[in-house]
Amino acid sequence: DGGITQSPKYLFRKEGQNVTLSCEQNLNHDAMYWYRQDPGQGLRLIYYSQIVNDFQKGDIAEGYSVSREKKESFPLTVTSAQKNPTAFYLCASSIHSDRSSEAFFGQGTRLTVV
Amino acid sequence: AQTVTQSQPEMSVQEAETVTLSCTYDTSESDYYLFWYKQPPSRQMILVIRQEAYKQQNATENRFSVNFQKAAKSFSLKISDSQLGDAAMYFCAYRFGNQFYFGTGTSLTVIP
Repeated sequence: DGGITQSPKYLFRKEGQNVTLSCEQNLNHDAMYWYRQDPGQGLRLIYYSQIVNDFQKGDIAEGYSVSREKKESFPLTVTSAQKNPTAFYLCASSIHSDRSSEAFFGQGTRLTVV
Repeated sequence: AQTVTQSQPEMSVQEAETVTLSCTYDTSESDYYLFWYKQPPSRQMILVIRQEAYKQQNATENRFSVNFQKAAKSFSLKISDSQLGDAAMYFCAYRFGNQFYFGTGTSLTVIP
C-alpha cells in the first residue's frame, strides 16, 4: 500500500539533545512538508521541499533542520536551539504538478521533552 | 499573506442532526483549491472534501457538502445525518501553488 510512514510514534528527548524524526513516502510525490501541531494553533509549516536537494523554510523553521537527499525521505531534526519542542509533528506529501492534489499525511510523531 | 480562519473552536451536534462548520480565508489569488480534513482521536489526517475555486458548484461527498462563497471567501462544511464517528477535529485548508495553509481547527462533538 502506498503511503507516508513516520517514526517513531512517540519520542522523548532530554533538554539539550538533538533528535531526528523520520518520514518516508512511497507515493512518488515530489513535494514533502513538515508541520507542527499545537492545541489551538492548527498546523504550522516548519519546512517544505519541492524537489530532491532543495527545501525552504516555513513559518516556524527556527530550531529545526531538514534534508532531502532522496525523493522518498524527508527527515526533520529538532535541535537544542528549539526552545519549546514538545508538540505533535506531522509529515505530508503532495503531487507537485497537480494543484488539485491534497496533502497526504503520515500518522504523526509525538515529541516530549523530559 | 494567505490566512485561513476557523472561528468556532468547538461545536456539538446531536446524532442524526446537521451541523455546519465555518471557514473563511484571505487571498488575492483567483485560482486555488480548498480542502476540509478530519482528524479523529487517532490523529491521522483524513481528507473529507475538496473544492476548486473556479467551480461554481459546491462539492459533495456522501453526507458531507460545502457551501463555497468565493466573493465572500467563505468555505463552510455541512455534515448531514451526523454519526458518532464524525466526532473529530476538522481543519479547513487552502492550497496555492505547492503551499497549504491551515486553519486552527474546530473540535466537533457528536451527542448520542
